Amino acid sequence: QSALTQPASVSGSPGQSITISCTGTSSDVGGYNYVSWYQQHPGKAPKLMIYDVNNRPSGVSHRFSGSKSGNTASLTISGLQAEDEADYYCSSYTGSTTLVVFGGGTKLTVL
Amino acid sequence: QLQLQESGPGLVKPSETLSLTCSVSGGSISSSNYYWGWIRQPPGKGLEWIGSIYYSGRTYYNPSLKSRVTILVDTSKNQFTLKLSSVTAADTAVYYCATVNEYYYYMDVWGKGTTVTVSS
Repeated sequence: QSALTQPASVSGSPGQSITISCTGTSSDVGGYNYVSWYQQHPGKAPKLMIYDVNNRPSGVSHRFSGSKSGNTASLTISGLQAEDEADYYCSSYTGSTTLVVFGGGTKLTVL
Repeated sequence: QLQLQESGPGLVKPSETLSLTCSVSGGSISSSNYYWGWIRQPPGKGLEWIGSIYYSGRTYYNPSLKSRVTILVDTSKNQFTLKLSSVTAADTAVYYCATVNEYYYYMDVWGKGTTVTVSS
């Protein structure tokens, strides 16, 4: 079971939009609509930002959105703000033996 | 409101067994709404799924760790436990416990994490 593939880093200026990709296989991302995204600030526990590909938990800004095409899921953050600077991880259901697999993580820098 | 808290030794010797407990408050570990999971993060690296347990006792493990991992649930204490045997320095990490939604497999409640160092 390999980790899902994310870019190591992305960057953007305040107010801009960025997209982080998460590529898996037909056994995880492509096979199920159970992709979630997490934001992690340094020294903190991860925070759920998106679940089921494109659903936001209560309290998460509308600036965060998710999508999926084939084996690749994406997280888009619009109207970048300084507090969005963090690490972002995707995860996917991967079947009834292992349950979950994570992506390698993407460091977002707000310039 | 559900809350999770990890506890256990911060230092473990190589070849020994790491044992951590996650205490659940604000809800019952026997709830059928969740799997109860463990995730770790080595220093400067990404999140790694370790495994999870359902209240019934059924377990799900990362294949790369399966031979060394045991996750147990104690419904009387509202806790679940991670045991990782034959540890090496590569097992040094922050260990998190988290709820895994039963139907959609996302983790929405996390503990604060506990740092475990493997060193003699």
